Amino acid sequence: GQQLNQSPQSMFIQEGEDVSMNCTSSSIFNTWLWYKQDPGEGPVLLIALYKAGELTSNGRLTAQFGITRKDSFLNISASIPSDVGIYFCAGRPGQNFVFGPGTRLSVLP
Amino acid sequence: DSGVTQTPKHLITATGQRVTLRCSPRSGDLSVYWYQQSLDQGLQFLIQYYNGEERAKGNILERFSAQQFPDLHSELNLSSLELGDSALYFCASSVEGTNGELFFGEGSRLTVL
Repeated sequence: GQQLNQSPQSMFIQEGEDVSMNCTSSSIFNTWLWYKQDPGEGPVLLIALYKAGELTSNGRLTAQFGITRKDSFLNISASIPSDVGIYFCAGRPGQNFVFGPGTRLSVLP
Repeated sequence: DSGVTQTPKHLITATGQRVTLRCSPRSGDLSVYWYQQSLDQGLQFLIQYYNGEERAKGNILERFSAQQFPDLHSELNLSSLELGDSALYFCASSVEGTNGELFFGEGSRLTVL
């Protein structure tokens, strides 16, 4: 079946640093979604992307829909402690959703 | 608040037992999805319903079943529970159409002892 790869698997950064993570697929997607999950809670939608090349921001977060439609990037600027969590990408090739394995972000004070 | 409601939040039961998890989707969303997340793992897709009909099946065990009722709420039934079924179970809902976004509930944490 379709799979998504996310990198890096985990990252440790200093507070104030910028963060970049990406998601790649072997298939073309119509929609890319980025979620953040805090421990023991449900994933929260951060950004949704609908068109190839689209660049969308949500506060300190910026995400891009790759022009090949097979990848997406999420950047977090000036990280703060509450950015800690797992970031999942999800693609929507049709009616269903495919999730990546997640990037675990730790922010050191 | 995503608008997706799940009950119960926590459930502790014994092996061999059966439990039912309940989900109310966001107002207007016809699709409901169920996911399982074991400790420090990703989201495993179990099953999707659309307007009362099963739409897609993922890695759902035969011991598990689900349904979506006319009022669009959904239930996930887990039977003959095993220790390995301990996990967070998430319900999510979306509108139909390829541009629909997926919204998650807060999950039901199942512990099987």
